[in-house]
This record gives sequence, C-alpha cells and structure tokens, in this order.
Amino acid sequence: GAGVSQSPSNKVTEKGKDVELRCDPISGHTALYWYRQRLGQGLEFLIYFQGNSAPDKSGLPSDRFSAERTGESVSTLTIQRTQQEDSAVYLCASSPRGGIADTQYFGPGTRLTVL
Amino acid sequence: GENVEQHPSTLSVQEGDSAVIKCTYSDSASNYFPWYKQELGKRPQLIIDIRSNVGEKKDQRIAVTLNKTAKHFSLHITETQPEDSAVYFCAAREYGNKLVFGAGTILRVKS
Repeated sequence: GAGVSQSPSNKVTEKGKDVELRCDPISGHTALYWYRQRLGQGLEFLIYFQGNSAPDKSGLPSDRFSAERTGESVSTLTIQRTQQEDSAVYLCASSPRGGIADTQYFGPGTRLTVL
Repeated sequence: GENVEQHPSTLSVQEGDSAVIKCTYSDSASNYFPWYKQELGKRPQLIIDIRSNVGEKKDQRIAVTLNKTAKHFSLHITETQPEDSAVYFCAAREYGNKLVFGAGTILRVKS
C-alpha cells in the first residue's frame, strides 16, 4: 500500500513568512510523529500524536512552531515568522499503534530553505 | 530526558569487512532501540530493532547487541557491500513513545 507522503517536497521561503508542511500517514496508523533534520545531523523530535490523546509537544523548539492533526489522518506542521535556522528537512513518520516496539515509517521529507 | 550518543561519526571499511557502530543512552527506563539506515536524499528506513528484554538479535548480515547494565547497544554489519554505504542512526525510545536519535554514522564501504 501507499507509504507516508509529505508535501511539498521542497519549500523555499523568505525570512519572516509563515509556512505549512503537510503529512499524510499510512492509512490506519494511529500514531504520527514530526522530526527535524538539519544538514548532516540526526533527527530531532518535534511532536507526537496518538489517536485522540493530547499531543506530546515537548520537542517543539519555540512557540513559532505548531502542529495539528485531524483525527487519525492528515497532519500539518506550521512554522510562523520563519528564521534562517529553521532551514532543515522536516520528516514525518507514522506507526500503527504507537506501541513500545512499533515501527515508525518515514515520509520522504520536506526540505525547507529560509532565505 | 534521554540522551543518545553515537560513535563513530564516520566509518570507512573495505568491502567484505565488518562494521560496528556503537550507541550509548542515558535513561535506564528506555526499552526499545531501533536502527535506521538513510541513503543520500532518501527517507530513514528501519533495518533492525531490539527490545530491552533481549540481548542480541540477528537478521542475515545485520545484528544488534544490547547491554542494559552498561546502557549501550551496537550495530554489527558483516561482509559489508557497497550498497551498505549510507548514514546509520540509532535511537532509544523513552517515555511516551518518543524516539531520541543519535547523531548518525556515515558508513563508506570501499570496493
């Protein structure tokens, strides 16, 4: 079946503008995660959604970052007043149940460049 | 919170040799440790994982070992091939199902 998809694949924006990144998880997956990957670095956890529970927002770096998820489907990550340090690849992942050993399946990422 | 350190940052091996990547974690409550492979410009993909109630797991040329007492785990790749060249990330799952990743190891297999 279809994997995790993300859009856009690339986004170039000017400093100070808002951006929205979209993630479509694998159908039926209840858990959804957002990560940030700066060039040459590891994956940095941002936020986690599990079903109808309150999201774990502990990784969001500032109040300029927010994310929403509609039920168990699409999620959008919004970055307001973008800064150059926000430039990175933003990866979304989903897993079936968010359980202890659930495999997280990653999307292709959105490469964000803030000029 | 959890902190994961990964070594080495780069690793070059000759084709056919073995490669070992090590990670240490800080939170003794972490109970799940996956390894991801990320080829250039592509998404991370799970290659092997291990739970805290198991000391070793093997899948063909890939194995992972876990030492809970010392809080470290390692990825072992035997008979390396050029297609093994990629960035490898270890991770540890802490409370709330959040994965904390290591900084990654660039593996180059020279033919």
